[in-house]
Amino acid sequence: QVQLVQSGGGEVQPGGSLRLSCAASGFTLINSNIHWVRQAPGRGLEWMAIIISGGGEMRYAESVKGRFTMSRDNFKNTLYLQMNSLRSEDTAVYYCAKPGRDRDGTSMGSFDVWGQGTMVTVS
Amino acid sequence: DFVMTQTPLSLPVIVGQPASISCTSSQSLVHSDGVTYLSWLHQRPGQPPRLLIYKVSNRLPGVPDRFSGSGAGADFTLKISRVEAEDVGVYYCMQATQTPLTFGGGTKVEIK
Repeated sequence: QVQLVQSGGGEVQPGGSLRLSCAASGFTLINSNIHWVRQAPGRGLEWMAIIISGGGEMRYAESVKGRFTMSRDNFKNTLYLQMNSLRSEDTAVYYCAKPGRDRDGTSMGSFDVWGQGTMVTVS
Repeated sequence: DFVMTQTPLSLPVIVGQPASISCTSSQSLVHSDGVTYLSWLHQRPGQPPRLLIYKVSNRLPGVPDRFSGSGAGADFTLKISRVEAEDVGVYYCMQATQTPLTFGGGTKVEIK
């Protein structure tokens, strides 16, 4: 079964750091793009970052660029999101998500598998 | 960035009646590969979003056929032919034509 299981998160003071984990099962992380999406309490969804399959090119939203960094452990099949210089506005539930593949093998352009989410509180 | 605007913000519906949500992008969502990467997701409280519709009108396997998506260019619609009680929650449109991916603000569907 294709799954993303998240861990990490918690409460941290402004300026602090946290690391989130996103462990994949049922597929190989290196072969898939993985995105991070966050949702502030009572608010909508905000795309944050993507790590691209294979070489691992990374792109970040302007709101987190320079503060958040992704890394991938291919042996553990796990993706990490290192969050530094945290601000109160980073308070949110953080999701990792995997784009789906259509019947013809092309990208669905959306996420058919989501992690369960992990809460980060900066206060 | 592509700005996605959803209407209405809130949608009270009667079970068994149809419902419709609109999503408009600030720019055409047709990618250079000719595909329009517009999807619809449904989120219940305390749960991650769940994909319903991708590439404008393709239902994810397992999604009931009462859900349908339509549209082109920059204007899109999600329709529920007959709302069921389990359809409550927030619906989001999302574009993946260009990075950063962006979402509509959400439409909260509740039962009257």
